Amino acid sequence: AQSVSQHNHHVILSEAASLELGCNYSYGGTVNLFWYVQYPGQHLQLLLKYFSGDPLVKGIKGFEAEFIKSKFSFNLRKPSVQWSDTAEYFCAVIPFRNQGGKLIFGQGTELSVKP
Amino acid sequence: GAVVSQHPSRVICKSGTSVKIECRSLDFQATTMFWYRQFPKKSLMLMATSNEGSKATYEQGVEKDKFLINHASLTLSTLTVTSAHPEDSSFYICSARPGTSYEQYFGPGTRLTVT
Repeated sequence: AQSVSQHNHHVILSEAASLELGCNYSYGGTVNLFWYVQYPGQHLQLLLKYFSGDPLVKGIKGFEAEFIKSKFSFNLRKPSVQWSDTAEYFCAVIPFRNQGGKLIFGQGTELSVKP
Repeated sequence: GAVVSQHPSRVICKSGTSVKIECRSLDFQATTMFWYRQFPKKSLMLMATSNEGSKATYEQGVEKDKFLINHASLTLSTLTVTSAHPEDSSFYICSARPGTSYEQYFGPGTRLTVT
């Protein structure tokens, strides 16, 4: 079945460590790609998105993601994490063929940053 | 801009009763709204897509007679959980999409507990 996969269920890092969260999707053709963050007790917020153009996308709070079409991947990165980055991170895809622009979410990755 | 609110934020109801959750786009018109359900430590599961002035489109496995959705205006969609049971206890999140944009803005969620 077509899906969005996030490989890491729970990642634990110390402050200042580098972060990379994997995201792969199985839809062919053109897709819109998103990373959302959900801080404890808060609603989902958009970190960054890719629609077209430069495959390296800069987002808020120092996050970036790289779209690699050949690998069907859209991994999220941050060079140096902070304790405040502790949150749940969701990768999401809108397949162009998908009617109604529905977002298909990955399973989520819980990031815990130790101070 | 692009704020979505949900009301109530928390609700506790008795088994067999119905409860209504409101989703409002505060500063934009949302032609499409989406309703999701989020289980603890799990991803968001799309329940239905709601278009203003038309019937909602439900995802496979979601009972349309149990989860009634009404999108009466461009700024308001409601989800009514009818004859609620304890297994309906969950976190319900709505999102709203302005015009033809592919970007969705999420509400803060409603925690439903059925006793």
